[in-house]
Amino acid sequence: DAGVIQSPRHEVTEMGQEVTLRCKPISGHNSLFWYRQTMMRGLELLIYFNNNVPIDDSGMPEDRFSAKMPNASFSTLKIQPSEPRDSAVYFCASSEMQGAGYGYTFGSGTRLTVV
Amino acid sequence: AQSVTQLDSHVSVSEGTPVLLRCNYSSSYSPSLFWYVQHPNKGLQLLLKYTSAATLVKGINGFEAEFKKSETSFHLTKPSAHMSDAAEYFCVVSDRGGNTPLVFGKGTRLSVIA
Repeated sequence: DAGVIQSPRHEVTEMGQEVTLRCKPISGHNSLFWYRQTMMRGLELLIYFNNNVPIDDSGMPEDRFSAKMPNASFSTLKIQPSEPRDSAVYFCASSEMQGAGYGYTFGSGTRLTVV
Repeated sequence: AQSVTQLDSHVSVSEGTPVLLRCNYSSSYSPSLFWYVQHPNKGLQLLLKYTSAATLVKGINGFEAEFKKSETSFHLTKPSAHMSDAAEYFCVVSDRGGNTPLVFGKGTRLSVIA
């Protein structure tokens, strides 16, 4: 299994531009999570999906952030418009089930820099 | 509600000496507990997990952790540190019977001195 695949690995964009981060979860995993990691705040859960349905997006910082999961093998996290304070590493993770003793498998992350 | 407290933000050890990273948890239900490791500029990797079986759990790279319900602790240990162990370590709790996501601690940075 190739694991959780995220793209791009690095993204540098100018303030105000739209940014789309992509994630392919492990085949057969029913839950998908988006996290953001910064030095100041550590690891923050942004949103998670079960069976492609968004369950909790209370961690999404602002309306500028949106996430979709059109099918079991693909998810996107979009920031529009981007701001310098969005600079962070964004991780996608998948799991056979949320919590319930199943650990998450993380992707390698996308390092976003907004200038 | 679940929570996890990593008692040290930074631990420094000499190569070849024991490692102890401390973690205390709070959970309303029987918890599952995990340790993840993150090497610089890498993703998070599962080190070990406790679900309900043996209270002493062995993980990768010689690490192990012991679940102590009476102390609500799940400390991570390794008998002898290696330079390659230098990384960030996260203690994680899950409500095994419920439907809530994993809750991550703030992390402990382990430095290994030659």
